[in-house]
Amino acid sequence: QQQVKQSPQSLIVQKGGISIINCAYENTAFDYFPWYQQFPGKGPALLIAIRPDVSEKKEGRFTISFNKSAKQFSLHIMDSQPGDSATYFCAASKGTDKLIFGTGTRLQVFP
Amino acid sequence: NAGVTQTPKFRILKIGQSMTLQCTQDMNHNYMYWYRQDPGMGLKLIYYSVGAGITDKGEVPNGYNVSRSTTEDFPLRLELAAPSQTSVYFCASSYDTRNGELFFGEGSRLTVL
Repeated sequence: QQQVKQSPQSLIVQKGGISIINCAYENTAFDYFPWYQQFPGKGPALLIAIRPDVSEKKEGRFTISFNKSAKQFSLHIMDSQPGDSATYFCAASKGTDKLIFGTGTRLQVFP
Repeated sequence: NAGVTQTPKFRILKIGQSMTLQCTQDMNHNYMYWYRQDPGMGLKLIYYSVGAGITDKGEVPNGYNVSRSTTEDFPLRLELAAPSQTSVYFCASSYDTRNGELFFGEGSRLTVL
């Protein structure tokens, strides 16, 4: 199975709150799990990535949590800010194969 | 550095017309990709290239063609445009395919009427 299932499709969070976006996969051979951030009118850009040998990776307010047994990984945005309003894509790949992207989550952070 | 540059940013086509979306990168990346983005559907790979002279189909190649005559350029050709090709197209490049970061252009919004 090559799909990566992402939820929710859209998310509204108040400033200062925690935003959580979830992704699930079937292919246990996936070994790279990046998150991309896309602002309106721009192309996606790499935000943070994780490999399955660790359960969590944190960069500033952004954290990836990885659950290998459940085949799930999630993006947590702490202290969400209006500037975080964007579309977020999870993705997965194995070896040298191309990335498989999730369907995207549109995050809106209101002041 | 300019990164990945796409032209045009916007284009309206009539059904049956043809056009080429241009993509150039100045990072000397071997790997280049074309994606289309539709609402609620994520990013779907159309074609990709692992180097000059080498191209291969992605997930949704029908109705498109590509060429890669140089490392820098990777144009996407739409022949006989159809309404189903209305989408936002993104070109991307990467240094490597193994855990390699993709660098995207700003996109080309195409409408077929």
